[in-house]
Amino acid sequence: DTGVSQDPRHKITKRGQNVTFRCDPISEHNRLYWYRQTLGQGPEFLTYFQNEAQLEKSRLLSDRFSAERPKGSFSTLEIQRTEQGDSAMYLCASSSAGSSGANVLTFGAGSRLTVL
Amino acid sequence: AQSVTQLGSHVSVSEGALVLLRCNYSSSVPPYLFWYVQYPNQGLQLLLKYTTGATLVKGINGFEAEFKKSETSFHLTKPSAHMSDAAEYFCAVTREGNTPLVFGKGTRLSVIA
Repeated sequence: DTGVSQDPRHKITKRGQNVTFRCDPISEHNRLYWYRQTLGQGPEFLTYFQNEAQLEKSRLLSDRFSAERPKGSFSTLEIQRTEQGDSAMYLCASSSAGSSGANVLTFGAGSRLTVL
Repeated sequence: AQSVTQLGSHVSVSEGALVLLRCNYSSSVPPYLFWYVQYPNQGLQLLLKYTTGATLVKGINGFEAEFKKSETSFHLTKPSAHMSDAAEYFCAVTREGNTPLVFGKGTRLSVIA
């Protein structure tokens, strides 16, 4: 168990470019979450998957954002036509749904996006 | 909708002093409450959680928190601060049914030697 892995850790791009982030969850976890964190703020929920199904999307997830989890394993988060306001840390987390008790999320280290 | 409010964006304590980080929640249904810690350049790490049962929960690194329904609070405490406790702390809420966690804005803890 290597934890939740995110790639790349840092991405600098110019406004208008597309970027894609990848998340590899803990292998036995069937739920995967994307959050966004800006400076001085707590993580804000973007979307989550159970297996390959995208179950919920936040209003924060504009039509420039798309997330996929095609085989129920890794996930990608793509941002098209980036804007400076997209600069943030993008966090991925995974959990095991269906277990008793609370849904404990395990987070990756995040992918930091800087849009120039 | 559920939410949490963390009082104080920055708390500074002396090494060996009591740590108290405040969290109040809003929820129309019984909440599940969490505290996470984030060290620089690292992911969020679970400190402790409350779901049901005992209202005083103990976590890692000597931290504990008490769920007080009457006060809608879930404050985090540690009797004696260590330099290694300096980090950002986040309170979060969800409910049965495993809806996504809703986080507070965080409290940065500084520990002074």
